[in-house]
Amino acid sequence: GESVGLHLPTLSVQEGDNSIINCAYSNSASDYFIWYKQESGKGPQFIIDIRSNMDKRQGQRVTVLLNKTVKHLSLQIAATQPGDSAVYFCAESGWGGKLIFGQGTELSVKP
Amino acid sequence: GAGVSQSPSNKVTEKGKDVELRCDPISGHTALYWYRQSLGQGLEFLIYFQGNSAPDKSGLPSDRFSAERTGGSVSTLTIQRTQQEDSAVYLCASSLATSGGYNEQFFGPGTRLTVL
Repeated sequence: GESVGLHLPTLSVQEGDNSIINCAYSNSASDYFIWYKQESGKGPQFIIDIRSNMDKRQGQRVTVLLNKTVKHLSLQIAATQPGDSAVYFCAESGWGGKLIFGQGTELSVKP
Repeated sequence: GAGVSQSPSNKVTEKGKDVELRCDPISGHTALYWYRQSLGQGLEFLIYFQGNSAPDKSGLPSDRFSAERTGGSVSTLTIQRTQQEDSAVYLCASSLATSGGYNEQFFGPGTRLTVL
């Protein structure tokens, strides 16, 4: 069936460094790929999305890269801050706009 | 404008009891989604509403789970005869009309359900 998975369950980085979170997906038919951030006790918060006909999209301090050849998605966070500590989920869009989520990567930022 | 709200924030129930979880979407959002997040896991799609109709119920895990939406706004997820494996955080999200496609979804804070 459809699945979206993450390569690394945890990632620890030093404050100020760049972070890269990776994700593999299996459904080539998805129109959009999305990254969400979830802090403890809260619902997921939208970070950035990318349409399947693009390979790169930049936001504020974040960049999403899409490699359709190898079905790989990544989220790059520049100058990582303590407030970036959270669990990050990748997701792909399905019919009706429903989201199919990966398992999540926990990002820990050391001061 | 307020975001998506859910109630209760926490619910503890005994095995075999029925529970109702409520979601108030963002005003004007016609699409509404329910997801379930088990401890340490990703989010699992349950059901999708467009207006008051549910064109996709494929994620509901059993016939003990049902949901309805009235007036194109508030939605209620009902779990009958709860089991311990139903313990999870239930998240609701809403978005503008999708016409079968994707629009950014805004999530509520979730309801943490514990079945003893």
